[in-house]
Amino acid sequence: GAGVSQTPSNKVTEKGKYVELRCDPISGHTALYWYRQSLGQGPEFLIYFQGTGAADDSGLPNDRFFAVRPEGSVSTLKIQRTERGDSAVYLCASSLIARPANTGELFFGEGSRLTVL
Amino acid sequence: AQSVTQPDIHITVSEGASLELRCNYSYGATPYLFWYVQSPGQGLQLLLKYFSGDTLVQGIKGFEAEFKRSQSSFNLRKPSVHWSDAAEYFCAVDTSDGARQLTFGSGTQLTVLP
Repeated sequence: GAGVSQTPSNKVTEKGKYVELRCDPISGHTALYWYRQSLGQGPEFLIYFQGTGAADDSGLPNDRFFAVRPEGSVSTLKIQRTERGDSAVYLCASSLIARPANTGELFFGEGSRLTVL
Repeated sequence: AQSVTQPDIHITVSEGASLELRCNYSYGATPYLFWYVQSPGQGLQLLLKYFSGDTLVQGIKGFEAEFKRSQSSFNLRKPSVHWSDAAEYFCAVDTSDGARQLTFGSGTQLTVLP
């Protein structure tokens, strides 16, 4: 498809388990973003990549969260030792370029809903 | 720290009525401002954006927004609401000098009555 693709769309796991969430951005988009949206809240920034490198990971809540984008396209968000508070919708977005500011609309995927029991 | 406030958690309007959704931001520099809409089962969709220039910006689906620096506001408007506009609306500010790290408000849920 032409849009941002996220898998799985739903993931139910048990507390303490490891989870991977995948994002396939729009072809050719160099910038990729992860956001987290908790129930009743707006999305919160987690991390963004420019190419293969994490340009800013200041939004990752703690060291249980990690993301990679080894070839500058697909990205995986990894969560270790999941906790119930990690339950949320994890959104991925991509942009043609990260800068300059007056170009490069963000295109969001439908999200991966994570439920930690 | 930067923040975005959407004071209305839920708004109900009748189809055909006008709509205004409020958004206030806190940010020291000139902000880049956005409105997104989120419908069930769909990703966030950009309605409009403000970077500079004319403070009244037009977006998709007949929406417009006005940037008022003196009030730190960026309210979204539509003159006549359609039933298909029922969704959640998010205001966001880019505080990363254009790197698209957005700070979102908590959203306003819009219900449209027939």
